[in-house]
Amino acid sequence: DTAVSQTPKYLVTQMGNDKSIKCEQNLGHDTMYWYKQDSKKFLKIMFSYNNKELIINETVPNRFSPKSPDKAHLNLHINSLELGDSAVYFCASRRTSGTSTDTQYFGPGTRLTVL
Amino acid sequence: AQSVTQLDSHVSVSEGTPVLLRCNYSSSYSPSLFWYVQHPNKGLQLLLKYTSAATLVKGINGFEAEFKKSETSFHLTKPSAHMSDAAEYFCVVSNYNQGGKLIFGQGTELSVKP
Repeated sequence: DTAVSQTPKYLVTQMGNDKSIKCEQNLGHDTMYWYKQDSKKFLKIMFSYNNKELIINETVPNRFSPKSPDKAHLNLHINSLELGDSAVYFCASRRTSGTSTDTQYFGPGTRLTVL
Repeated sequence: AQSVTQLDSHVSVSEGTPVLLRCNYSSSYSPSLFWYVQHPNKGLQLLLKYTSAATLVKGINGFEAEFKKSETSFHLTKPSAHMSDAAEYFCVVSNYNQGGKLIFGQGTELSVKP
């Protein structure tokens, strides 16, 4: 009965490869997010989808493409991986009630290592 | 623009002594503030959140935080540290006008000595 799950947990790959990270939430939330945590543990928003519609797109290279097939899933595809993409990627979700106090629930993270 | 500043990158306390993790925020309107905790190689867990209902907010595991508008602070405290409290703590502000995205502070690593 995991609330927000991500696969895989660890991902090691070579530069130039294309990879995907999957996220699923079973909380019935309508908004999902991707955050990136760098080597200094700093967390920054990348994307957000609300009801399958992109609502946040920060200054992320266009090699990163989120896809939301339905409200419960938000996947992250990365093309032509670079060394600087090595990080921990967190998925999160929340129920949008019209206020900013809604809690975001985070997945366990995916540690991506690009060699 | 909204931002948060965590004043200490690392705090070390002895088990059984009080914990104080400091956070200052900047916001052009009434902020929504959170504290999240991240244990080693784990995801993020919500400790507590400020919802404007009360300035003193109680969270899980004995933590609490006080919202002080005059000081633009939201410091996290616990009366008595436990070894299991050793983790990274993030002070966070929510940007309602931008899809509820969370803006994180730099994090404070809490070490607890036996």
